[in-house]
Amino acid sequence: KAGVTQTPRYLIKTRGQQVTLSCSPISGHRSVSWYQQTPGQGLQFLFEYFSETQRNKGNFPGRFSGRQFSNSRSEMNVSTLELGDSALYLCASSLQNSPLHFGNGTRLTVT
Amino acid sequence: QKEVEQDPGPLSVPEGAIVSLNCTYSNSAFQYFMWYRQYSRKGPELLMYTYSSGNKEDGRFTAQVDKSSKYISLFIRDSQPSDSATYLCAMTGETSGSRLTFGEGTQLTVNP
Repeated sequence: KAGVTQTPRYLIKTRGQQVTLSCSPISGHRSVSWYQQTPGQGLQFLFEYFSETQRNKGNFPGRFSGRQFSNSRSEMNVSTLELGDSALYLCASSLQNSPLHFGNGTRLTVT
Repeated sequence: QKEVEQDPGPLSVPEGAIVSLNCTYSNSAFQYFMWYRQYSRKGPELLMYTYSSGNKEDGRFTAQVDKSSKYISLFIRDSQPSDSATYLCAMTGETSGSRLTFGEGTQLTVNP
């Protein structure tokens, strides 16, 4: 069974630009979550989608948004990028009330 | 104060040693406890998943949860160089769904 797939693996953007990251969950998983990982803050929850609806949201500004499609694939968008948005963005999928399985992430660098 | 505290290490042990990794937490609502292993340039990989207090064993790995002390542990027996990675504890409550709270991770090196 294929794992969680995230694209692209690496991304370099400049301040003020926007970026869209993509995630394909494990087949059959309808819940998709996004996390930001930085050396200083560790892993922090961004949001969770289930059946195309946002079910939970972390403490991030409105510049961070996401969506989920009918096939459970998900995208997250960051607008007006700041230097502090440089991080590894991780997507995870799960069955209902089951542990999360993570992808290998998208490394975003903002210059 | 952070909800989950984990010693970041680094921790360096010889091959074959028993490794003990620990986390403490403050939120009594946490009911589900996980350990993830993360290799460099990879995403976290689920190692152990436990509910409430008790022990769980899987091969060389044993997870322990003591809810009365708000303390969880991961033991690795007969450690191997391939166990060298960052180990992350994570936890969540009944109503938090996929919103996990992570420790900052412990960097482990097993020397041949």
